[in-house]
Amino acid sequence: NAGVTQTPKFRILKIGQSMTLQCTQDMNHNYMYWYRQDPGMGLKLIYYSVGAGITDKGEVPNGYNVSRSTTEDFPLRLELAAPSQTSVYFCASRRAGVYAFFGQGTRLTVV
Amino acid sequence: DAKTTQPTSMDCAEGRAANLPCNHSTISGNEYVYWYRQIHSQGPQYIIHGLKNNETNEMASLIITEDRKSSTLILPHATLRDTAVYYCIVGDGGATNKLIFGTGTLLAVQP
Repeated sequence: NAGVTQTPKFRILKIGQSMTLQCTQDMNHNYMYWYRQDPGMGLKLIYYSVGAGITDKGEVPNGYNVSRSTTEDFPLRLELAAPSQTSVYFCASRRAGVYAFFGQGTRLTVV
Repeated sequence: DAKTTQPTSMDCAEGRAANLPCNHSTISGNEYVYWYRQIHSQGPQYIIHGLKNNETNEMASLIITEDRKSSTLILPHATLRDTAVYYCIVGDGGATNKLIFGTGTLLAVQP
């Protein structure tokens, strides 16, 4: 198993541009999560999903959108990127009652 | 999800045991205690979890108090590679378990 795969690893965006951060897991996990981590800070939950077609807001959802059309994929969409969205983004997945697996992150800079 | 409280930072000498405390005084009867760590901005890594009994695996031991209001993660022989931020999280492992991270404890293992 590849586990949780995030692409791209690095990205520089200009203010106002849009992009999609990709997250794929091959473990058939129902639950998936997106976090952001600002420098020196802990992880903040952006959105999560408990299954295909079901998503819900986390702690800091503003400026982001998600979709979950398949069990494997949970893309995070940034519309109208702002400097405040400069961060490291982590995707995670887990099965009910089991611990979470995390991807290696996407480092996003908005200039 | 129950909230957790951890010290901001701790030091430990290499080769000694590192004992990391976590307070979760509002934990519910069906909620587990999970520990993860994050090494230098990599994706968080699962360490251990437990419900009420003490647990041990190849990485660490978890001691949960009888009233389940606090726990201690023990790294029996800390090495420099154990320098990381350690997160304590509680949840029932089900769909409503949002995996909310606190600020964690930065463990610095000193040579």
